[in-house]
Amino acid sequence: QKEVEQNSGPLSVPEGAIASLNCTYSDRGSQSFFWYRQYSGKSPELIMSIYSNGDKEDGRFTAQLNKASQYVSLLIRDSQPSDSATYLCAVNMVSTGGGADGLTFGKGTHLIIQP
Amino acid sequence: KAGVTQTPRYLIKTRGQQVTLSCSPISGHRSVSWYQQTPGQGLQFLFEYFSETQRNKGNFPGRFSGRQFSNSRSEMNVSTLELGDSALYLCASSLTSGSRGEQFFGPGTRLTVL
Repeated sequence: QKEVEQNSGPLSVPEGAIASLNCTYSDRGSQSFFWYRQYSGKSPELIMSIYSNGDKEDGRFTAQLNKASQYVSLLIRDSQPSDSATYLCAVNMVSTGGGADGLTFGKGTHLIIQP
Repeated sequence: KAGVTQTPRYLIKTRGQQVTLSCSPISGHRSVSWYQQTPGQGLQFLFEYFSETQRNKGNFPGRFSGRQFSNSRSEMNVSTLELGDSALYLCASSLTSGSRGEQFFGPGTRLTVL
């Protein structure tokens, strides 16, 4: 049973600070990891993808992956009120059929950036 | 480049009816995946289609089915609707199948079953 765990929050962070979002996953064979942002009433929007151990930076966002610990994180630097949303961690692995096994999502962390 | 489009955006049906939802992927994308999002269960994978073939299926009853056309557009069908099928149904497109493909979501279809 593949599982992705996230703290549901809410996580409250002052404007300008670093927001740190964490995610653990159960399937050691997982190969691809994604962070999505979802505003209330909207669909998920892809922020970052990461496939190898280490850090990947894109603007104010940094994704970190540690496959040995089965842990993925997302850091948001210089947090803005517009970053207030639910952040979804998603994990994928290749199925025995060769296709994608479908993304397994965590329940999401509700992030609030306080002005 | 236009994003993923889904129609209709909202649907109201009654128990026992069936419904068909449509998804047009990003131009050039050949993989379409469908997900169900509910407050209790979160986002759950339904199935993926690539080159008109179902590549994988999530843990949903056979009432949920889908297909993909030669132009990569996809439809999802739910038969004999139940109250618990009320959800946001999301379609995501990807350039290729396989675990490394980034998936981009459409706006979703909000289905309400009365």
